[in-house]
Amino acid sequence: NAGVTQTPKFQVLKTGQSMTLQCAQDMNHEYMSWYRQDPGMGLRLIHYSVGAGITDQGEVPNGYNVSRSTTEDFPLRLLSAAPSQTSVYFCASTRNSNYGYTFGSGTRLTVV
Amino acid sequence: AQTVTQSQPEMSVQEAETVTLSCTYDTSENNYYLFWYKQPPSRQMILVIRQEAYKQQNATENRFSVNFQKAAKSFSLKISDSQLGDTAMYFCAFAAPEETSGSRLTFGEGTQLTVNP
Repeated sequence: NAGVTQTPKFQVLKTGQSMTLQCAQDMNHEYMSWYRQDPGMGLRLIHYSVGAGITDQGEVPNGYNVSRSTTEDFPLRLLSAAPSQTSVYFCASTRNSNYGYTFGSGTRLTVV
Repeated sequence: AQTVTQSQPEMSVQEAETVTLSCTYDTSENNYYLFWYKQPPSRQMILVIRQEAYKQQNATENRFSVNFQKAAKSFSLKISDSQLGDTAMYFCAFAAPEETSGSRLTFGEGTQLTVNP
């Protein structure tokens, strides 16, 4: 049982480049989310999904796209990377609100 | 919208002593869930303890316990017999029921706890 798997763990991008952060879970969780973590600001919600085919915006969605074609996968796409997107990104999944989320190990992204 | 506030950016404690981390939140929901997550230097987010708002009894998990005051919207974490491995960033988090919120978590800013030998 792998839990939540995020790839890559580290990435450096040039301004304007695009990339996809991968996230997969093997727990058959309906709910999945992407967060970014910046110093002094906790974790902020980017996008979330309540099931395959259903996604919605969180607190800081600008510059990011998501899709949820299967229950297992929830990739996050950076359309045109900007230095302001330098952050640590976490993917997480849950069965429902009562259980809290299981988190992936995070991706440290640097945009230069 | 919900907000979560952790007013202590940093705290320190001596090994074997007890420390309490504070968290307050604001919501109009009557039913909800509260969590404390631990993030050690490895960066992994680890669920420490959770509390359901409709349960009056405070949650406990070994050396970790909470003081949940629903009327005051306060949710503090007490760590007893502190150990060096407790050194980490601690986040308080809030979730409304999934049917109203999609199970979204709202986090506080975090408290960096250092346990000194």
